[in-house]
Amino acid sequence: SAVISQKPSRDICQRGTSLTIQCQVDSQVTMMFWYRQQPGQSLTLIATANQGSEATYESGFVIDKFPISRPNLTFSTLTVSNMSPEDSSIYLCSVESGGEKLFFGSGTQLSVL
Amino acid sequence: LAKTTQPISMDSYEGQEVNITCSHNNIATNDYITWYQQFPSQGPRFIIQGYKTKVTNEVASLFIPADRKSSTLSLPRVSLSDTAVYYCLVDPVQRGRRALTFGSGTRLQVQP
Repeated sequence: SAVISQKPSRDICQRGTSLTIQCQVDSQVTMMFWYRQQPGQSLTLIATANQGSEATYESGFVIDKFPISRPNLTFSTLTVSNMSPEDSSIYLCSVESGGEKLFFGSGTQLSVL
Repeated sequence: LAKTTQPISMDSYEGQEVNITCSHNNIATNDYITWYQQFPSQGPRFIIQGYKTKVTNEVASLFIPADRKSSTLSLPRVSLSDTAVYYCLVDPVQRGRRALTFGSGTRLQVQP
Protein backbone atom coordinates (compact mmCIF):
# COMPACT_ATOMS: atom_id res chain seq x y z
CA SER A 1 0.00 0.00 0.00
CA ALA A 2 0.94 3.66 -0.18
CA VAL A 3 0.34 6.46 2.28
CA ILE A 4 -0.24 9.83 0.68
CA SER A 5 -0.07 13.16 2.46
CA GLN A 6 -1.59 16.20 0.86
CA LYS A 7 -1.14 19.78 1.96
CA PRO A 8 -3.01 21.96 2.55
CA SER A 9 -6.14 20.01 3.49
CA ARG A 10 -8.26 23.05 2.75
CA ASP A 11 -7.86 26.67 1.80
CA ILE A 12 -9.92 29.72 1.01
CA CYS A 13 -8.41 31.93 -1.67
CA GLN A 14 -9.17 35.15 -3.45
CA ARG A 15 -9.86 35.13 -7.17
CA GLY A 16 -6.85 35.88 -9.32
CA THR A 17 -4.39 34.29 -6.91
CA SER A 18 -2.65 30.90 -7.18
CA LEU A 19 -2.44 27.96 -4.81
CA THR A 20 0.14 25.17 -4.84
CA ILE A 21 -0.93 21.79 -3.50
CA GLN A 22 1.71 19.35 -2.33
CA CYS A 23 1.53 15.57 -2.50
CA GLN A 24 4.02 13.38 -0.64
CA VAL A 25 4.08 9.58 -0.92
CA ASP A 26 5.79 7.24 1.54
CA SER A 27 7.32 5.14 -1.25
CA GLN A 28 8.76 5.67 -4.70
CA VAL A 29 6.19 5.55 -7.47
CA THR A 30 6.49 5.92 -11.21
CA MET A 31 3.33 7.86 -11.87
CA MET A 32 1.26 10.26 -9.85
CA PHE A 33 -2.19 11.40 -10.86
CA TRP A 34 -4.08 14.57 -10.07
CA TYR A 35 -7.88 14.54 -9.98
CA ARG A 36 -10.50 17.19 -9.41
CA GLN A 37 -13.82 16.53 -7.72
CA GLN A 38 -16.37 19.29 -7.91
CA PRO A 39 -19.06 19.46 -5.22
CA GLY A 40 -21.35 16.43 -5.39
CA GLN A 41 -19.66 15.16 -8.53
CA SER A 42 -17.40 12.31 -9.52
CA LEU A 43 -13.65 12.53 -10.03
CA THR A 44 -12.14 14.00 -13.18
CA LEU A 45 -8.54 13.33 -14.12
CA ILE A 46 -6.52 16.51 -14.59
CA ALA A 47 -3.12 15.12 -15.49
CA THR A 48 -0.59 12.33 -15.07
CA ALA A 49 2.81 13.28 -13.69
CA ASN A 50 5.94 11.29 -14.48
CA GLN A 51 9.23 12.00 -12.80
CA GLY A 52 11.65 13.68 -15.17
CA SER A 53 9.19 14.56 -17.88
CA GLU A 54 6.34 16.95 -18.51
CA ALA A 55 2.94 16.05 -17.20
CA THR A 56 0.31 14.70 -19.58
CA TYR A 57 -2.90 16.71 -19.40
CA GLU A 58 -6.40 15.49 -20.13
CA SER A 59 -8.77 17.27 -22.45
CA GLY A 60 -10.00 20.50 -20.93
CA PHE A 61 -6.98 21.03 -18.70
CA VAL A 62 -3.91 23.04 -19.71
CA ILE A 63 -0.45 23.49 -18.27
CA ASP A 64 -0.77 27.27 -17.90
CA LYS A 65 -3.75 26.86 -15.60
CA PHE A 66 -2.58 23.74 -13.74
CA PRO A 67 1.22 23.56 -13.79
CA ILE A 68 2.58 20.39 -12.23
CA SER A 69 6.01 19.59 -10.87
CA ARG A 70 7.44 16.13 -10.24
CA PRO A 71 10.96 16.63 -8.92
CA ASN A 72 11.42 13.09 -7.58
CA LEU A 73 9.68 9.73 -7.21
CA THR A 74 7.89 10.58 -3.95
CA PHE A 75 6.68 14.14 -4.45
CA SER A 76 4.55 16.26 -6.76
CA THR A 77 2.84 19.62 -6.72
CA LEU A 78 -0.19 20.94 -8.54
CA THR A 79 -0.71 24.68 -8.86
CA VAL A 80 -4.11 26.15 -9.53
CA SER A 81 -3.33 29.46 -11.23
CA ASN A 82 -5.29 32.67 -11.58
CA MET A 83 -8.16 31.17 -9.65
CA SER A 84 -11.83 31.89 -10.17
CA PRO A 85 -14.85 30.65 -8.18
CA GLU A 86 -15.29 27.88 -10.80
CA ASP A 87 -12.04 26.35 -9.51
CA SER A 88 -13.66 25.64 -6.14
CA SER A 89 -13.29 21.87 -5.86
CA ILE A 90 -11.52 19.09 -4.05
CA TYR A 91 -8.16 18.28 -5.62
CA LEU A 92 -6.87 14.75 -5.09
CA CYS A 93 -3.47 13.21 -5.58
CA SER A 94 -3.28 9.52 -6.45
CA VAL A 95 -0.65 6.84 -7.07
CA GLU A 96 -0.60 3.23 -8.15
CA SER A 97 0.95 0.83 -5.68
CA GLY A 98 0.65 -2.65 -4.26
CA GLY A 99 -0.42 -4.54 -7.33
CA GLU A 100 -2.40 -2.29 -9.59
CA LYS A 101 -4.43 -0.51 -6.97
CA LEU A 102 -4.86 3.22 -6.82
CA PHE A 103 -4.30 5.02 -3.53
CA PHE A 104 -5.57 8.51 -2.89
CA GLY A 105 -4.72 11.33 -0.57
CA SER A 106 -7.45 12.91 1.53
CA GLY A 107 -7.66 15.79 -0.87
CA THR A 108 -7.40 19.56 -0.75
CA GLN A 109 -10.69 21.38 -0.46
CA LEU A 110 -10.34 24.69 -2.26
CA SER A 111 -12.82 27.53 -2.04
CA VAL A 112 -12.32 30.59 -4.24
CA LEU A 113 -14.10 33.79 -3.33
CA LEU B 1 -12.34 3.44 -22.56
CA ALA B 2 -15.47 1.50 -21.67
CA LYS B 3 -18.19 3.58 -20.06
CA THR B 4 -19.94 2.36 -16.93
CA THR B 5 -23.53 2.87 -15.82
CA GLN B 6 -24.66 2.36 -12.25
CA PRO B 7 -27.61 3.53 -10.15
CA ILE B 8 -27.24 7.03 -8.81
CA SER B 9 -28.37 6.10 -5.31
CA MET B 10 -29.53 3.21 -3.14
CA ASP B 11 -31.00 2.95 0.33
CA SER B 12 -30.63 0.06 2.73
CA TYR B 13 -30.94 -0.85 6.40
CA GLU B 14 -28.33 -2.13 8.77
CA GLY B 15 -27.79 -5.89 8.55
CA GLN B 16 -29.06 -6.22 4.99
CA GLU B 17 -27.08 -7.40 2.01
CA VAL B 18 -26.62 -4.71 -0.63
CA ASN B 19 -26.01 -5.47 -4.29
CA ILE B 20 -24.91 -2.68 -6.62
CA THR B 21 -24.92 -3.53 -10.31
CA CYS B 22 -22.80 -1.81 -12.91
CA SER B 23 -23.17 -2.04 -16.69
CA HIS B 24 -20.11 -1.92 -18.94
CA ASN B 25 -21.29 -3.09 -22.33
CA ASN B 26 -18.13 -2.06 -24.20
CA ILE B 27 -15.63 -3.74 -21.91
CA ALA B 28 -12.51 -4.90 -23.72
CA THR B 29 -10.79 -8.26 -23.43
CA ASN B 30 -7.96 -6.96 -21.26
CA ASP B 31 -10.10 -4.82 -18.98
CA TYR B 32 -10.59 -5.58 -15.32
CA ILE B 33 -13.53 -4.39 -13.22
CA THR B 34 -12.60 -2.46 -10.11
CA TRP B 35 -14.72 -0.94 -7.36
CA TYR B 36 -13.78 1.95 -5.11
CA GLN B 37 -15.49 3.37 -2.02
CA GLN B 38 -15.44 7.04 -1.07
CA PHE B 39 -16.44 8.52 2.25
CA PRO B 40 -17.09 12.26 2.62
CA SER B 41 -13.91 14.32 2.86
CA GLN B 42 -11.73 11.38 1.85
CA GLY B 43 -10.21 10.08 -1.34
CA PRO B 44 -11.57 6.87 -2.89
CA ARG B 45 -10.43 3.56 -1.42
CA PHE B 46 -9.94 0.33 -3.37
CA ILE B 47 -12.50 -2.35 -2.47
CA ILE B 48 -12.21 -5.19 -4.94
CA GLN B 49 -11.13 -6.09 -8.46
CA GLY B 50 -12.04 -8.97 -10.76
CA TYR B 51 -11.85 -10.23 -14.30
CA LYS B 52 -14.54 -12.91 -14.44
CA THR B 53 -16.75 -15.17 -12.28
CA LYS B 54 -16.57 -14.36 -8.59
CA VAL B 55 -14.06 -12.67 -6.35
CA THR B 56 -14.42 -12.37 -2.60
CA ASN B 57 -12.37 -10.57 0.03
CA GLU B 58 -12.91 -9.51 3.61
CA VAL B 59 -14.98 -6.52 2.56
CA ALA B 60 -17.13 -7.56 -0.41
CA SER B 61 -17.83 -9.97 -3.22
CA LEU B 62 -17.78 -9.20 -6.91
CA PHE B 63 -19.88 -11.20 -9.34
CA ILE B 64 -19.09 -11.03 -13.06
CA PRO B 65 -21.15 -13.02 -15.59
CA ALA B 66 -19.57 -14.83 -18.51
CA ASP B 67 -20.21 -12.02 -21.00
CA ARG B 68 -18.58 -9.50 -18.61
CA LYS B 69 -20.96 -6.77 -19.72
CA SER B 70 -22.02 -6.13 -16.15
CA SER B 71 -20.83 -6.75 -12.63
CA THR B 72 -22.39 -6.75 -9.17
CA LEU B 73 -20.74 -5.58 -5.99
CA SER B 74 -22.20 -7.36 -2.98
CA LEU B 75 -21.80 -5.95 0.52
CA PRO B 76 -22.88 -8.46 3.16
CA ARG B 77 -24.70 -7.21 6.25
CA VAL B 78 -24.10 -3.49 5.81
CA SER B 79 -23.67 -1.15 8.73
CA LEU B 80 -24.05 2.61 9.06
CA SER B 81 -20.35 2.98 8.32
CA ASP B 82 -20.90 1.57 4.83
CA THR B 83 -22.71 4.77 3.87
CA ALA B 84 -20.54 6.06 1.04
CA VAL B 85 -20.29 6.51 -2.72
CA TYR B 86 -19.29 3.38 -4.63
CA TYR B 87 -17.58 3.69 -8.00
CA CYS B 88 -17.42 0.97 -10.63
CA LEU B 89 -14.50 1.32 -13.01
CA VAL B 90 -13.39 -0.56 -16.07
CA ASP B 91 -9.70 -0.77 -15.64
CA PRO B 92 -7.34 -1.14 -18.61
CA VAL B 93 -4.63 -2.85 -16.58
CA GLN B 94 -1.43 -1.80 -18.27
CA ARG B 95 1.87 -1.32 -16.59
CA GLY B 96 2.85 2.30 -16.53
CA ARG B 97 -0.50 3.80 -17.38
CA ARG B 98 -3.13 3.78 -14.70
CA ALA B 99 -5.18 6.89 -15.29
CA LEU B 100 -8.65 5.68 -14.41
CA THR B 101 -11.89 7.26 -15.49
CA PHE B 102 -14.46 7.48 -12.74
CA GLY B 103 -18.16 7.28 -13.53
CA SER B 104 -20.92 8.92 -11.56
CA GLY B 105 -20.91 6.40 -8.72
CA THR B 106 -23.71 5.03 -6.53
CA ARG B 107 -24.50 6.85 -3.32
CA LEU B 108 -25.43 4.22 -0.73
CA GLN B 109 -27.31 5.38 2.35
CA VAL B 110 -27.60 2.87 5.18
CA GLN B 111 -30.34 3.55 7.72
CA PRO B 112 -30.48 2.18 11.27
